[in-house]
Amino acid sequence: GAVVSQHPSWVICKSGTSVKIECRSLDFQATTMFWYRQFPKQSLMLMATSNEGSKATYEQGVEKDKFLINHASLTLSTLTVTSAHPEDSSFYICSASNRAHQPQHFGDGTRLSIL
Amino acid sequence: AQRVTQPEKLLSVFKGAPVELKCNYSYSGSPELFWYVQYSRQRLQLLLRHISRESIKGFTADLNKGETSFHLKKPFAQEEDSAMYYCALSFGNEKLTFGTGTRLTIIP
Repeated sequence: GAVVSQHPSWVICKSGTSVKIECRSLDFQATTMFWYRQFPKQSLMLMATSNEGSKATYEQGVEKDKFLINHASLTLSTLTVTSAHPEDSSFYICSASNRAHQPQHFGDGTRLSIL
Repeated sequence: AQRVTQPEKLLSVFKGAPVELKCNYSYSGSPELFWYVQYSRQRLQLLLRHISRESIKGFTADLNKGETSFHLKKPFAQEEDSAMYYCALSFGNEKLTFGTGTRLTIIP
């Protein structure tokens, strides 16, 4: 149980394109979803926390207009990287939890490459 | 600010030998500590958390508040233990702060 699906797993696109990444909880209701970014050989850095039906809470230094997060249902959150540029190339990982203070379950991640 | 330090980026251990992956944290309150593991081509998954006091796959970790450590240990390494291990901290809410990870390689 507690499976999180992330799609797509890999995307390559041109600079200036907007890219949407989906995160779905397949067998549980995710009251909270988290979005992380991971640079090569570095740790996961939390970008934002999203609760179903409310605005996401962004970490310091993360541009909310650049990284749009929507959590419209208890099983789906989306991260849209708007007008992506090469410096946005990274590995993006989502996670979800079904209750407060319960462990997070992670997706497989999305490798984003901006040309 | 909270911080998690994993001093070893790489660790190689012979099969059957004891394993210890170090994790130190800095936080002024009462944190909750976790170990996450990522096997090759798999997603990150929870290995254990300190409040559970469980032994998972032979691994244990004890929270030492005096030394602010949460080292991961296993008495006898197995080949299938080769993976990337991340120590993480939560401080009263659901947010996780991760260490930089240790890649454990078990030598047959």
